[in-house]
Amino acid sequence: ILNVEQSPQSLHVQEGDSTNFTCSFPSSNFYALHWYRWETAKSPEALFVMTLNGDEKKKGRISATLNTKEGYSYLYIKGSQPEDSATYLCAFVANAGGTSYGKLTFGQGTILTVHP
Amino acid sequence: GAVVSQHPSRVICKSGTSVKIECRSLDFQATTMFWYRQFPKQSLMLMATSNEGSKATYEQGVEKDKFLINHASLTLSTLTVTSAHPEDSSFYICSPVHGSTDTQYFGPGTRLTVL
Repeated sequence: ILNVEQSPQSLHVQEGDSTNFTCSFPSSNFYALHWYRWETAKSPEALFVMTLNGDEKKKGRISATLNTKEGYSYLYIKGSQPEDSATYLCAFVANAGGTSYGKLTFGQGTILTVHP
Repeated sequence: GAVVSQHPSRVICKSGTSVKIECRSLDFQATTMFWYRQFPKQSLMLMATSNEGSKATYEQGVEKDKFLINHASLTLSTLTVTSAHPEDSSFYICSPVHGSTDTQYFGPGTRLTVL
């Protein structure tokens, strides 16, 4: 059983604060790490797919880093806005056949609430 | 972007009844479909994988006779929970893979409550 952990479980910040959360995953047999943003009653929305150790990706005010050797990824949100409130999920993909989709092993998610 | 719909979004049923959940990829063809479920305070867990026209492959611990998956077309997959019991109450979410781009998308999910 693959162990993917996210911390913290939930986070409350004020508008304008910057924040970050962690996803830890197995450091062996790594293929890819996905980050999703999931708003209530909507579909999870893909943020990043990260595959290389040292990868840094950015999308607007959101960025992510990846360390496959030690098995963690950080997601950063700069200048949080109320519309950033959502659950942020990471999902690990083990190296098994070379497809980047498929057996995603999800963390429990970090619930972010940004207060105006 | 790709649009995935799931119906119903919420269903409450009595113990012993069967419930069918539909997942449609509205603007793309999905050769592969994943079904996940999420129990309260737990992670999304993969239940089964299906390819269009083939029998689904179930993850360990998921009963194939209880969770019937039909992926008869490239835009529609259904999950039927047969003889549902309270322990089947969960959030079920489909995830079709875009046939051309291999990108995995998600439906908005179905909340099943079995009384």
